[in-house]
Amino acid sequence: KNEVEQSPQNLTAQEGEFITINCSYSVGISALHWLQQHPGGGIVSLFMLSSGKKKHGRLIATINIQEKHSSLHITASHPRDSAVYICAVSFPPINDKLIFGTGTRLQVFP
Amino acid sequence: ETGVTQTPRHLVMGMTNKKSLKCEQHLGHNAMYWYKQSAKKPLELMFVYNFKEQTENNSVPSRFSPECPNSSHLFLHLHTLQPEDSALYLCASSQLDSRGYTFGSGTRLTVV
Repeated sequence: KNEVEQSPQNLTAQEGEFITINCSYSVGISALHWLQQHPGGGIVSLFMLSSGKKKHGRLIATINIQEKHSSLHITASHPRDSAVYICAVSFPPINDKLIFGTGTRLQVFP
Repeated sequence: ETGVTQTPRHLVMGMTNKKSLKCEQHLGHNAMYWYKQSAKKPLELMFVYNFKEQTENNSVPSRFSPECPNSSHLFLHLHTLQPEDSALYLCASSQLDSRGYTFGSGTRLTVV
């Protein structure tokens, strides 16, 4: 069993829909990361969270430390949001390496 | 351009070849990483260098050999690879006290 579980694995949406991707983890962490990977392979860091909520444009990330759960929300989705979204966690005491979820493949259709 | 540059972007090599992947960052980060992404599997950590010292070798076969000559450059030397080593190899860097990560665009490796 992976220490980081994401759901759903695949997600399709119509342009404009509100999208939620979930991430659960099984052990105590120092931070949780949401990453975006486009078909070319490069990965962009979207958020790093250790508590609460962060917002950047149409993207919102939340984390509940007690429940070991995080969500990534996309408001007013657009075809350019189509990508793989990956949740990853880092652990104390040395926050140097990431453990990744399997990713959620999102396709947004016009 | 993310600030972490990987070369080459694509590489096809035979099982008897020797090649090297290169990663470079000028973000002032003090840790660098090699990750492997195989089809339908999560990203896996291969190697970690903190302050140029290797601190993690995640049970990686010896046919993969990392080198970190300074805090800005990281190499992955490849020799006698197997077809199952075909994957996307991603380099990343971070500043340990801030935990923020920056990834490179990856090298797509095909072993024939």
